[in-house]
Amino acid sequence: DADVTQTPRNRITKTGKRIMLECSQTKGHDRMYWYRQDPGLGLRLIYYSFDVKDINKGEISDGYSVSRQAQAKFSLSLESAIPNQTALYFCATSTRSGPTDTQYFGPGTRLTVL
Amino acid sequence: GEDVEQSLFLSVREGDSSVINCTYTDSSSTYLYWYKQEPGAGLQLLTYIFSNMDMKQDQRLTVLLNKKDKHLSLRIADTQTGDSAIYFCAEMEGGSYIPTFGRGTSLIVHP
Repeated sequence: DADVTQTPRNRITKTGKRIMLECSQTKGHDRMYWYRQDPGLGLRLIYYSFDVKDINKGEISDGYSVSRQAQAKFSLSLESAIPNQTALYFCATSTRSGPTDTQYFGPGTRLTVL
Repeated sequence: GEDVEQSLFLSVREGDSSVINCTYTDSSSTYLYWYKQEPGAGLQLLTYIFSNMDMKQDQRLTVLLNKKDKHLSLRIADTQTGDSAIYFCAEMEGGSYIPTFGRGTSLIVHP
């Protein structure tokens, strides 16, 4: 079984709809992250959480919100989706043991906003 | 702010060596990483190097770091079609635990 899972894997929605992307991990890691990937732009950090009570904005948090429901679960919401939020979204986890304990990525959710 | 730059594409012939280059601007970068993203998958760490090292070798992979020029490279020897992927360079300042990623280099391996 995958250590970091994301649901759904693909989603097509319409402008103005509320969307939630979910991430679960079985690695026991404290830290979780949401990134979006756009062609030619690489990965950009949306939000991150270092433990259940900690939420931090990343580089591009506008239009997004998150919820850390438990150590193992971190959800990303788009309150009112817009077409330029069409992208590939990745969840990642890491421990706090040090920088060499790298980030582990989920398989991604491809979101299309029409 | 931090910036990590990579060329977007590299095409090589199967069996040749591939060299993917990266430059970064943050002089306090302590850790530098190479990740690989295969089609339809998330990123996976390939290798990393500390800023106090200048070379690291791991089987077919060789990482070279020129700290003075803030230049990092990844050499893949005997490149195979299975090496076709997007390769991301990333840097991280000690204590931040949040890497800054480059835009990724798409490596295309043709027969």
